[in-house]
Amino acid sequence: QVQLQQSGPGLVKPSQTLSLTCAISGDSVSSNTATWNWIRQSPSRGLEWLGRTFYRSKWYNDYALSVKGRITINPDTSKNHFSLQLNSVTPEDTAVYYCVRAGSYFSFDPWGQGTLVTVSS
Amino acid sequence: QSALTQPPSASGSPGQSVTISCTGTSSDVGGYNYVSWHQQHPGKAPKLMIYEVNKRPSGVPDRFSGSKSGNTASLTVSGLQAEDEADYYCSSYVGNNTCVFGGGTKLTVL
Repeated sequence: QVQLQQSGPGLVKPSQTLSLTCAISGDSVSSNTATWNWIRQSPSRGLEWLGRTFYRSKWYNDYALSVKGRITINPDTSKNHFSLQLNSVTPEDTAVYYCVRAGSYFSFDPWGQGTLVTVSS
Repeated sequence: QSALTQPPSASGSPGQSVTISCTGTSSDVGGYNYVSWHQQHPGKAPKLMIYEVNKRPSGVPDRFSGSKSGNTASLTVSGLQAEDEADYYCSSYVGNNTCVFGGGTKLTVL
């Protein structure tokens, strides 16, 4: 049974970098069939897919246009986890952030427990 | 990419059936058979209920079914039970290795 455990700060100051980590158990970040995603949810923006990392003989990343240029998702094979970094945050980035595994074509399952990140000074 | 369109609310009595729609365009819902449905109870993470339009993950009751016609996908919940009361979100592959979600539908069991 695959489980995802998120960690990271719940409060980030404007203009700084939001950083979260997702530890994987029951699967490998280097899986040739899974992708590893970050999704956020806020009252104003609803559910929003942010991006993913995955391994298919080499590492790939895909990012949503809405955050491209500010986002980095990295795998860490030594720790079997993946991370999210979102730069230059504003209060609009306040949301619950989820790490999620997916099969091909974005069938999201399972989801991490979620982390509320508030952007405020 | 615009969000997919869902009705904000739906309701039904125990034992009845209810259908929730998810409308997109030929660039997303209509263009690919990669529509998923997620259930979310208050304060909890979403849970995958349907993927690839009409496939159920292991453990999801067969009361939940999915379909698609043109640019609109649908989730039908048959034999409504109290625990089905939740928010439901659709999502779709939209090409260029990205996806989009619907705005969500709050299902009330009367």
